[in-house]
Order: sequence, then C-alpha cells, then structure tokens
Amino acid sequence: GENVEQHPSTLSVQEGDSAVIKCTYSDSASNYFPWYKQELGKRPQLIIDIRSNVGEKKDQRIAVTLNKTAKHFSLHITETQPEDSAVYFCAARPTGGGNKLTFGTGTQLKVEL
Amino acid sequence: GAVVSQHPSRVICKSGTSVKIECRSLDFQATTMFWYRQFPKQSLMLMATSNEGSKATYEQGVEKDKFLINHASLTLSTLTVTSAHPEDSSFYICSARGTSGWVGTDTQYFGPGTRLTVL
Repeated sequence: GENVEQHPSTLSVQEGDSAVIKCTYSDSASNYFPWYKQELGKRPQLIIDIRSNVGEKKDQRIAVTLNKTAKHFSLHITETQPEDSAVYFCAARPTGGGNKLTFGTGTQLKVEL
Repeated sequence: GAVVSQHPSRVICKSGTSVKIECRSLDFQATTMFWYRQFPKQSLMLMATSNEGSKATYEQGVEKDKFLINHASLTLSTLTVTSAHPEDSSFYICSARGTSGWVGTDTQYFGPGTRLTVL
C-alpha cells in the first residue's frame, strides 16, 4: 500500500520568513495530493491540493510543488504569520484505492514573533 | 459550503457501554464517508470507508464488530463503538467526499471530531 513520509516533524520560523514542508510517497500511481492544516483540537482543513498532471499550484501565500519522477511534493508558505502556526498534514491518494487518503505524520509549524 | 458536522463533540462513558457517533454532510451529498482515529500529536489513521447503501470496508487491524458503521443515506454515516474500553478513548473524526458538482469528488471534508473518553 501507499506510504507517505513527511519532514520535518517540527518547524520553527520567524514571522515573515518562509516555511517548507516536504513529503515523499511510495505508490507511483498516486494521483491526488492534498495538504491539510489542523489547529489544536480542531478539524483538519484543506488548504491546497494538486493533481498528478500539474507540477505546481499557488494560492496567495501558499504553494505546492510536485515531482512525480522523484515521488515527492512540498508545501511552501511565504510571509508566515502567527496564525499559520498549526500542524500540517500531507496526504496521497493512490489510484484504485477507493479514494482513500494516506496521511503523512504531520509537521508542527510554529511561527514566532 | 461543504460543511460536515459530527455529534456529539465530546462523550464520556463507562467501560462496557456502547457509543454512537453521527457524521452528517450538511450541504452536499456524500456517497463516501471515512472514519479516522487520531491519538494526541499523531496523524490520522483511517479506520474504515463507508459507502452509502453498502457494507463498510475496514482497514487491516480494525475490528468490524467493535466499530459498527452504518451509512444509510447520502448525508449520514454513524460509527458505533461497542462495549467501549479505556483503550478506545481517542479523537474520532469523519470525513465526507462529494458526489459531483461544486463540491467536487476529490476533496475530503472533515467533521469537527468527537472526543471519546471511556472510564
């Protein structure tokens, strides 16, 4: 089955700096890669996603890049703000997996003033 | 748009009792709902996939007789934890995937979760 690895597990940046979180996946047939943000005790919320036929997608301060050959994708947050502090999960959806998502282990992002 | 509710948000029960958790898609139809379990500071672990009108598909290691899932309509799935024990204490979260249209068919929209504590 699909295996998703996520790094780093914790990330601390200064307000205004950029943050990058990286994920690798094992199933080359995976075709959909969402990123979720989860604040403490709250539901995961989709912040951006990318499909396998696209290499990059951007939404204001957030961008995701996908390298299918290397089987890795990354989340980029620019001009970080304190409200960006949360746990971020990447996920991959293998083809034929019944639309299941396999999640990474999460990254605790802390944006310091 | 794409709102998923879960009820109850928090439940405390005695060991040996059963607890039912409801997951509802409020403004879209969901042919597929997913049930996850999340331990503190850990990732989301898929327990089962619930399809409307058919039996749920459980992940390896998840006891189907322990965690009963019913998906009777396109907007409601329920998870019943039977004969709950302290080790079942956890944060249970559902998600729903839309059928078509504005909600799309790729995105999983999550409920707010249910904190279960078994004494």
